[in-house]
Amino acid sequence: DQQVKQNSPSLSVQEGRISILNCDYTNSMFDYFLWYKKYPAEGPTFLISISSIKDKNEDGRFTVFLNKSAKHLSLHIVPSQPGDSAVYFCAASGTYKYIFGTGTRLKVLA
Amino acid sequence: DTAVSQTPKYLVTQMGNDKSIKCEQNLGHDTMYWYKQDSKKFLKIMFSYNNKELIINETVPNRFSPKSPDKAHLNLHINSLELGDSAVYFCASSPSPGNEKLFFGSGTQLSVL
Repeated sequence: DQQVKQNSPSLSVQEGRISILNCDYTNSMFDYFLWYKKYPAEGPTFLISISSIKDKNEDGRFTVFLNKSAKHLSLHIVPSQPGDSAVYFCAASGTYKYIFGTGTRLKVLA
Repeated sequence: DTAVSQTPKYLVTQMGNDKSIKCEQNLGHDTMYWYKQDSKKFLKIMFSYNNKELIINETVPNRFSPKSPDKAHLNLHINSLELGDSAVYFCASSPSPGNEKLFFGSGTQLSVL
């Protein structure tokens, strides 16, 4: 039973354009959401988070949007850069644990 | 100066052996975790410790035994290794359980032959 889902396993975007990565969750008790970026042979690194009391959080080129009624969050990267090519995981925080999606591989084409 | 460090980075071993993975964090966090990333790239929680006390055990087989000698260390010992244990194991820490950033180590690639 996957409580956090990323339905797009991969995404290709042209450099300079917007990348939109999506994530859906099923448990309405989740109240904190995070995005992580992962390069090969490295651990995931934190990108941006959002609390359930907000619907948007911005940090530089990265913006996370949360739609609680739809149980959906998205990560926008503008403008996309080749160095953004990585696997992106969304995660939801429940009781004492974080549940991760299966990841979306983003490729930014130069 | 690495925040969450785990050793070894690669571990290749035979079925039936016993092995350990060590993890240390220098962030002063109270909570530490072990995650397993399987062949489908799914990051799944195994254990969570808060101030050396086990708070989450996600129905992991008894062959896996975490040990937290102090809140900066969380080691993972695996007995009688099986082929299905082959995966990447990540250690992580957070200031407190839930609703805060997780900091990950770089992972241990375990291959059971």
